[in-house]
Amino acid sequence: DSGVTQTPKHLITATGQRVTLRCSPRSGDLSVYWYQQSLDQGLQFLIQYYNGEERAKGNILERFSAQQFPDLHSELNLSSLELGDSALYFCASSVDGAYTDTQYFGPGTRLTVL
Amino acid sequence: GESVGLHLPTLSVQEGDNSIINCAYSNSASDYFIWYKQESGKGPQFIIDIRSNMDKRQGQRVTVLLNKTVKHLSLQIAATQPGDSAVYFCADSSYNYGQNFVFGPGTRLSVLP
Repeated sequence: DSGVTQTPKHLITATGQRVTLRCSPRSGDLSVYWYQQSLDQGLQFLIQYYNGEERAKGNILERFSAQQFPDLHSELNLSSLELGDSALYFCASSVDGAYTDTQYFGPGTRLTVL
Repeated sequence: GESVGLHLPTLSVQEGDNSIINCAYSNSASDYFIWYKQESGKGPQFIIDIRSNMDKRQGQRVTVLLNKTVKHLSLQIAATQPGDSAVYFCADSSYNYGQNFVFGPGTRLSVLP
C-alpha cells in the first residue's frame, strides 16, 4: 500500500458525460501528479500540482482539468467524454515535486466510457 | 486484475534465474532514471533509481545499469521469484526538460515455475 488513495475504483459512464476522479496523497506529500494509462499509449503524464498550484502540464486535453485543494487532495475532471478516454487514471504523490522525487502511485481509477 | 499493455514485449524466465530488462530513452539531457514495477490491478511501484553521474546502482536483488553513450538502461533482477512477475517500466526525467517523467512502453516479466 503506497498510502495514496483514489476513488472511485471503477467508473462506467456514457459518451458526452462528465466525471470527477479523486485522489488523496500520502501524508506529508505536497505534490500530486495525474497519469493516464491506456493499452495503446502506455503511461502518459497529464498534470502536476504542488501545494495547490499547477506546476507542470503534460498531454492533458482541454476537456480535462484538475485542481489541488488546500487539504492537498486533488480532483481530475473529465468532460465531454469520448470512447477513447477509457483508460486507467493514476494519481501519484511526492514530497516536494522535484524531478528526482520518488512518486508513489495510487491504485488507479478504471474509467469505461460506453 | 487489469490487463496493461496487451502487446507489450514479454520476457519469460525460469524461477531462480536472473532477469535482465532493457530500456532505451531518447532525451540526451535526461539525468535521472527510475524503474517501476506494476503488478496486475495495481499502480506502479518504485523499484530503484539512478542519477546520470553513476553507471551502476544496486538494491536488494536488483541492479540498474546506465549507459549514457547509447542512452540505454537495464534492470537486473537476481534469483527471479514468482512475485517478480509484473510489467516493468523505465522512466527518465531532466530538470531542463520540464521536470516530468517520460515512461517507456514497459516489459512484461513472466516467471516460469
